[in-house]
Amino acid sequence: NAGVTQTPKFQVLKTGQSMTLQCAQDMNHNSMYWYRQDPGMGLRLIYYSASEGTTDKGEVPNGYNVSRLNKREFSLRLESAAPSQTSVYFCASSGLAGSFGPGTRLTVT
Amino acid sequence: GEDVEQSLFLSVREGDSSVINCTYTDSSSTYLYWYKQEPGAGLQLLTYIFSNMDMKQDQRLTVLLNKKDKHLSLRIADTQTGDSAIYFCAALSGGSYIPTFGRGTSLIVHP
Repeated sequence: NAGVTQTPKFQVLKTGQSMTLQCAQDMNHNSMYWYRQDPGMGLRLIYYSASEGTTDKGEVPNGYNVSRLNKREFSLRLESAAPSQTSVYFCASSGLAGSFGPGTRLTVT
Repeated sequence: GEDVEQSLFLSVREGDSSVINCTYTDSSSTYLYWYKQEPGAGLQLLTYIFSNMDMKQDQRLTVLLNKKDKHLSLRIADTQTGDSAIYFCAALSGGSYIPTFGRGTSLIVHP
């Protein structure tokens, strides 16, 4: 039982490059989330998916897209990375309580 | 919408008790959570309490809920240096899929 897994763990991008952050959970949770964490800002919700086939914007969705591929997987895509997207990204899934992945540390130069 | 507030820092001596406080605004919050984040890691669920409970104890952790004042606290008994971390409070309102997180309290434990 791996819980929530995220890949990659670290990534450096140049401005304008694109990438997809992968997330998978094996707890049969319906809800999945993408957050970003910046110093002094706490956790900010980017997108969430209440169930397979649905996605909704969170607090800071601009510059991101998501795909809920199936019940297990929820990916986050940066189409044209900007330095303001330098952050630590966490995926989470939730039944009664949330389980978080280990995070992806992204730097955009 | 829901707002969750926490103090940013707490410093204690090893062996003392730590009390981390949290307030929330939505009286319909059904579940309240405490998460721990160690440096370089994700958030780990420590404990949660349902809104019809006043207290929950789990080994060294005690959660107290005052629904009237919308105040939640986490007490860590016999605090150890390994308890140094950021602690997040979160609240989930009835009918919502999205928990609201506080900004986290950095607990520093001095030897």
